Amino acid sequence: KQEVTQIPAALSVPEGENLVLNCSFTDSAIYNLQWFRQDPGKGLTSLLLIQSSQREQTSGRLNASLDKSSGRSTLYIAASQPGDSATYLCAVYGSGGSYIPTFGRGTSLIVHP
Amino acid sequence: GAVVSQHPSWVICKSGTSVKIECRSLDFQATTMFWYRQFPKQSLMLMATSNEGSKATYEQGVEKDKFLINHASLTLSTLTVTSAHPEDSSFYICSAHFSSVEQFFGPGTRLTVL
Repeated sequence: KQEVTQIPAALSVPEGENLVLNCSFTDSAIYNLQWFRQDPGKGLTSLLLIQSSQREQTSGRLNASLDKSSGRSTLYIAASQPGDSATYLCAVYGSGGSYIPTFGRGTSLIVHP
Repeated sequence: GAVVSQHPSWVICKSGTSVKIECRSLDFQATTMFWYRQFPKQSLMLMATSNEGSKATYEQGVEKDKFLINHASLTLSTLTVTSAHPEDSSFYICSAHFSSVEQFFGPGTRLTVL
């Protein structure tokens, strides 16, 4: 059974810092990995989707990398801003064509001015 | 594209009443829809998977008679929490899938049972 772990669970940083959020998974036979953002009391906003054949994806100040062999993904946030404050969730889709992702518990990020 | 809506966004009800939550795919036909539950500071837990016109598949530990799912069309699935109790208070999120592996998530519904 796939297990997804996110470290750290919580992070508080001053504005402007570059951040790295970590996601690890136990079964490296994955199809896709997806990073989401969740604001308090809200649904999920997809940030980046990395297919198993890819090593990274970039969108603006966000960069996500994937190392299947080691079962790791990182989300890099450059020049953090207070508006980046949210919970970031990592989700892994299995290689069996399963449409059901396994989620980590998330990293709660606070960026203070 | 690939927008999923939920209604209502929040609901407060008395213990013992039933509550219906709708999930709609607005600009695509969803072959499969999913219902998740999220407790505070916890991750999303899959409750059930539903396909249009067939019975939902429930995850272990989820009572199918308590959480009724109806997938009436390729764009609408409903979750009814029957005889709700305070322990059913949670954040319910639906998602939809059509062709790729990726799921598209709704904005969620906050249920509070008094």
